[in-house]
Amino acid sequence: GAVVSQHPSRVICKSGTSVKIECRSLDFQATTMFWYRQFPKQSLMLMATSNEGSKATYEQGVEKDKFLINHASLTLSTLTVTSAHPEDSSFYICSARDWATGGTEAFFGQGTRLTVV
Amino acid sequence: GDSVTQMEGPVTLSEEAFLTINCTYTATGYPSLFWYVQYPGEGLQLLLKATKADDKGSNKGFEATYRKETTSFHLEKGSVQVSDSAVYFCALTFGNEKLTFGTGTRLTIIP
Repeated sequence: GAVVSQHPSRVICKSGTSVKIECRSLDFQATTMFWYRQFPKQSLMLMATSNEGSKATYEQGVEKDKFLINHASLTLSTLTVTSAHPEDSSFYICSARDWATGGTEAFFGQGTRLTVV
Repeated sequence: GDSVTQMEGPVTLSEEAFLTINCTYTATGYPSLFWYVQYPGEGLQLLLKATKADDKGSNKGFEATYRKETTSFHLEKGSVQVSDSAVYFCALTFGNEKLTFGTGTRLTIIP
């Protein structure tokens, strides 16, 4: 199946700094990518839908100024956590659909474990 | 809104035991249903899916049947292996929209 690569897999940052997470579709073009967040012992919650060449669509309750999403090309979406705080520590994971094959399956990256100290 | 309720873990079984992980959903209409698996250090992988009532998804010895009457999609395997140790997520979607996930169930198989 298609491959989605997410980087970094783990990151520790100081409170107040910004962290960028990359999500790449390696062998297909993804006009849409999805960013999820998972708290311990909780579901993956959709944060936003990243649209190539246009603004991301954020889910209710997600601060778009804090979680900046850029989808500048058909193979790359980035999530930047700005002015990170300890409560932003979480597991972030992206996914993309390969529309060339119908888009019925979502492919996921490996996830990024963010720890803010 | 739509939701998925999944059996809480962790679940620990001996090798060759029978596995059931329960999953029920709440949704308006008839979603597509999925089981995803996440092995340590890896991303989620699609394990199996069913797109309409009474469909049975199967892969790697795992099975799940879409039961409209009970709004369930329980995951089963007749004889688990140590290599099946992972976190399993039940999920639903309508069309090609966002996925709604359950909380995940951590499965550990001991030799």
